[in-house]
Amino acid sequence: AQSVTQLGSHVSVSEGALVLLRCNYSSSVPPYLFWYVQYPNQGLQLLLKYTTGATLVKGINGFEAEFKKSETSFHLTKPSAHMSDAAEYFCAVSGSGTYKYIFGTGTRLKVLA
Amino acid sequence: EAGVVQSPRYKIIEKKQPVAFWCNPISGHNTLYWYLQNLGQGPELLIRYENEEAVDDSQLPKDRFSAERLKGVDSTLKIQPAELGDSAVYLCASSSPTDTTDTQYFGPGTRLTVL
Repeated sequence: AQSVTQLGSHVSVSEGALVLLRCNYSSSVPPYLFWYVQYPNQGLQLLLKYTTGATLVKGINGFEAEFKKSETSFHLTKPSAHMSDAAEYFCAVSGSGTYKYIFGTGTRLKVLA
Repeated sequence: EAGVVQSPRYKIIEKKQPVAFWCNPISGHNTLYWYLQNLGQGPELLIRYENEEAVDDSQLPKDRFSAERLKGVDSTLKIQPAELGDSAVYLCASSSPTDTTDTQYFGPGTRLTVL
């Protein structure tokens, strides 16, 4: 079985500051991990994913995430926040060889001018 | 390449009325998913199709919800009758048969309000 915990339902950062959104997972099989972004009144857009191989994954819009098996974490970071990054971010896990996504409850990112 | 298309984008109905949502997946994607997203929550899977076959409908409330994908391409999700608690966003997603990671691509969703 899989589960996802996103720490912090709301995160505020200043424009130009580091963005760090936390995701911890549990999985009984090797996980596939995903970050999606959802802008208001829109669907989910894939930011990045980890399946196998390199544990540091780079995505769109300058985001990256690192898979840390020992910490069961897949935190999302961006060195410098932009106003356009304000949105809701969802972490999801699926087991390798399965299709079923389990989503976290989301983190709403606010970027302050 | 066109993304997942959903319509309508918004729907407001009275309780006990029927409602239907339509989804057209990315071309070539034979796997289609319907999700329910309540306010402040992550999406939850309702049903998954492989071509025209519903291979996982364990989370679909079958007393009032139904879905079909007759020709293995576009799909319709129906609620009859709608209840107040059905107010949510209904998301459709699809994935490619050549992608072994089953990465899912989402449409914009249909926001349902039941009055």
